[in-house]
Amino acid sequence: GAVVSQHPSRVICKSGTSVKIECRSLDFQATTMFWYRQFPKQSLMLMATSNEGSKATYEQGVEKDKFLINHASLTLSTLTVTSAHPEDSSFYICSAREDSYEQYFGPGTRLTVT
Amino acid sequence: DAKTTQPPSMDCAEGRAANLPCNHSTISGNEYVYWYRQIHSQGPQYIIHGLKNNETNEMASLIITEDRKSSTLILPHATLRDTAVYYCIVRVEGQGAQKLVFGQGTRLTINP
Repeated sequence: GAVVSQHPSRVICKSGTSVKIECRSLDFQATTMFWYRQFPKQSLMLMATSNEGSKATYEQGVEKDKFLINHASLTLSTLTVTSAHPEDSSFYICSAREDSYEQYFGPGTRLTVT
Repeated sequence: DAKTTQPPSMDCAEGRAANLPCNHSTISGNEYVYWYRQIHSQGPQYIIHGLKNNETNEMASLIITEDRKSSTLILPHATLRDTAVYYCIVRVEGQGAQKLVFGQGTRLTINP
């Protein structure tokens, strides 16, 4: 199946700093990318959807100024958590889809804010 | 909101068939049934999907009832590595394909 990678796999940062997470589709052109967040023992929660070259569409309750999403190319999307706080500690998972085909998920990034 | 209902947990003996049910009584005619699984601390993995016919691939079989209001994912010979949370999701495909919205899933434990 198609491969989606994320970098870094784990990151620890201090409160108040910003963290950038990269998501890449390795063998297909991702016209749409999705960002999810997952807290321990909970399901995945969709944060935002982005189409290449367009502004991201955020789900209700997700602060667009805190979670900056860039989808500048068909193979790369980035999520920047700005001014991170301990409550932002979570497992962040990206997903990518080419046109209307199946959606593939990255391995996730575990963010810990101290 | 998720449009499917799954049991929160299930157990199955290694080597046996694992049958995971899913109710989607409000499914629309153009919505597909998708199954993903998530092994601890990893991203979800695609398993199988179908519209109304039964489907089979190297991982599993998907049985969809004639009225399409429920389905069953079958892992024919479960192994310890099949222990994971299994998610059943309904989604429109093709033009205007919808985002995947996850419910709580079923935590399947394969016992030796």
